[in-house]
Amino acid sequence: QTVVTQEPSLTVSPGGTVTLTCASSTGAVTSGYYPNWFQHKPGQAPRALIYSTNNIHSWTPARFSGSLLGGKAALTLSGVQPEDEAEYYCLLFYGDTWVFGGGTKLTVL
Amino acid sequence: EVQLVESGGGLVQPGGSLRLSCAASGFTFSSYWMHWVRQAPGKGLEWVSRIKGDGSRTSYADSVKGRFTISRDNAKDTVYLQMNSLRAEDTAVYYCARGARVGFLIDYWGQGTLVTVSS
Repeated sequence: QTVVTQEPSLTVSPGGTVTLTCASSTGAVTSGYYPNWFQHKPGQAPRALIYSTNNIHSWTPARFSGSLLGGKAALTLSGVQPEDEAEYYCLLFYGDTWVFGGGTKLTVL
Repeated sequence: EVQLVESGGGLVQPGGSLRLSCAASGFTFSSYWMHWVRQAPGKGLEWVSRIKGDGSRTSYADSVKGRFTISRDNAKDTVYLQMNSLRAEDTAVYYCARGARVGFLIDYWGQGTLVTVSS
């Protein structure tokens, strides 16, 4: 069974920078896993942020960026805002199915 | 404006069945993959199933394979999730989401519908 692992929780100060990562139990994450990133706040629908590693949607704030880092997919938030406090999920493609990571709870404090 | 509206959730007994619907608008429905994603209470997101725009290809998470069936009616701009042999662990909010026309992504999401499996 494929497992996608994210940091359970991270804390960042307003205005700071934080990087969330996404690892695969099958080995290094490459562009062929087409990493997607989503933001999810309680009571709301998830919101797509990044697709295919580093492509932003038209609504994604410029402070969000995606990359590959040390064999993992990564989501970096630069100049964090209080409204960025949320759960963040990565999603990886495994040939015919998709698997979400367990999520990272980001606290802005 | 892209809109996805799920319906059909509710309370069902273990072993029972339920069919979820997702009505789409604001885009050329038949050109896009569509997905179902769920979130159990207190848990993270779990990808459930997807279907190609013309309905010719489907895939499922191992946790639902053989029990759930995804389908679509492009004349009605609607995607369905038939859920059989339901278990307590299928209790979740079920989201409909739009996939790619070309490429590999999920972009728009519905607000979700709650399915509760309990006696």
